Amino acid sequence: GAVVSQHPSRVICKSGTSVKIECRSLDFQATTMFWYRQFPKKSLMLMATSNEGSKATYEQGVEKDKFLINHASLTLSTLTVTSAHPEDSSFYICSARVPARPNEQFFGPGTRLTVL
Amino acid sequence: AQKVTQAQTEISVVEKEDVTLDCVYETRDTTYYLFWYKQPPSGELVFLIRRNSFDEQNEISGRYSWNFQKSTSSFNFTITASQVVDSAVYFCALSESFTGTASKLTFGTGTRLQVTL
Repeated sequence: GAVVSQHPSRVICKSGTSVKIECRSLDFQATTMFWYRQFPKKSLMLMATSNEGSKATYEQGVEKDKFLINHASLTLSTLTVTSAHPEDSSFYICSARVPARPNEQFFGPGTRLTVL
Repeated sequence: AQKVTQAQTEISVVEKEDVTLDCVYETRDTTYYLFWYKQPPSGELVFLIRRNSFDEQNEISGRYSWNFQKSTSSFNFTITASQVVDSAVYFCALSESFTGTASKLTFGTGTRLQVTL
């Protein structure tokens, strides 16, 4: 149980385009999802916390207009990287929290974004 | 503010050696949770263990063991008789106790473990 999927697993796009990454909880309803970013050989940095039906809470230094997060249902959160640039190239990982186990997060497999 | 320190950036061992990965944390909370995750080259995070701040018992799971010392704010991870498949980046993480708002995970910088034949 508590499986989280991400789509796509890998995406390459041109500079200036927008990219949408989906995070789904497959066998549970997730009221809260988290989005992380990981640069090569670096740690995971929390970008934002996404709550179903409300606006995401962004961490300091994360551009809200650049990284649009939508959590429209209890099983889906999306991260859209708008007007992507090469410096946005990174590994993006989402996680979801099971309401019955609030102190655990279940991670998706990650999405590797490369912006040319 | 929470902080997790993994001072060892990279460790290289020969198969069958024991290896300990260090983790030191800082928090003002009295109730918190500590985690270890494994990240193999594929990138997917693999959950290894969760420990709450009130449970200082050491834990053993197969070749893995964890030593939680509240007095030194450490939560170290030992792999006994390491294997090549243990090669990965290992992250220690800290979470404040769930208070009705999202409890965030703070990750350490990770320790890259290389196990060679």
